[in-house]
Amino acid sequence: GQQVMQIPQYQHVQEGEDFTTYCNSSTTLSNIQWYKQRPGGHPVFLIQLVKSGEVKKQKRLTFQFGEAKKNSSLHITATQTTDVGTYFCAGPLRDDKIIFGKGTRLHILP
Amino acid sequence: GAGVSQSPRYKVAKRGQDVALRCDPISGHVSLFWYQQALGQGPEFLTYFQNEAQLDKSGLPSDRFFAERPEGSVSTLKIQRTQQEDSAVYLCASSLKDRFGEKLFFGSGTQLSVL
Repeated sequence: GQQVMQIPQYQHVQEGEDFTTYCNSSTTLSNIQWYKQRPGGHPVFLIQLVKSGEVKKQKRLTFQFGEAKKNSSLHITATQTTDVGTYFCAGPLRDDKIIFGKGTRLHILP
Repeated sequence: GAGVSQSPRYKVAKRGQDVALRCDPISGHVSLFWYQQALGQGPEFLTYFQNEAQLDKSGLPSDRFFAERPEGSVSTLKIQRTQQEDSAVYLCASSLKDRFGEKLFFGSGTQLSVL
């Protein structure tokens, strides 16, 4: 079936190091979204990418959408303890239902 | 209200009991989604509505699960004869679709524990 896959499942980094999570879809997506879920919280919308090859930045976060619109990445520069949480990508599959990846859980070591 | 509201926040049910979970979306949001999230996993799609129309219910695990949104606003997810495997957080999200697609705004979820 149609899937959205993310790697890695977990990532431990020292505070100040960079972090990247990758997302792949089995089908071409009209857009891709990224969400962050803090421990004990609910997913919060971060950004939406629409165009092939699009790159967007939010402070230390850089989001990319692949040329084929089937993959995406989120890169965090110089991680801080406030970056702790699980990062999900999500995309609309047929009939506009939005499917989430399993997420990448980021742990920051002080 | 300012955000998506879900109630109850926590629900403990005995196996076999029926439960009803409520979602109040952001006013004016046309689309409403229900997801199930097991511990340490991503949100799994259950069903979604545009206004009162249930456009996709392919994610509902069994016929014990039923969702409705009769007036295109508040939605209820009902689980009949609950089983232990139904224990999870049930997330509701509403969305105002623009020309680029849906952006989901989640409620805090209902944590269901079936004993």
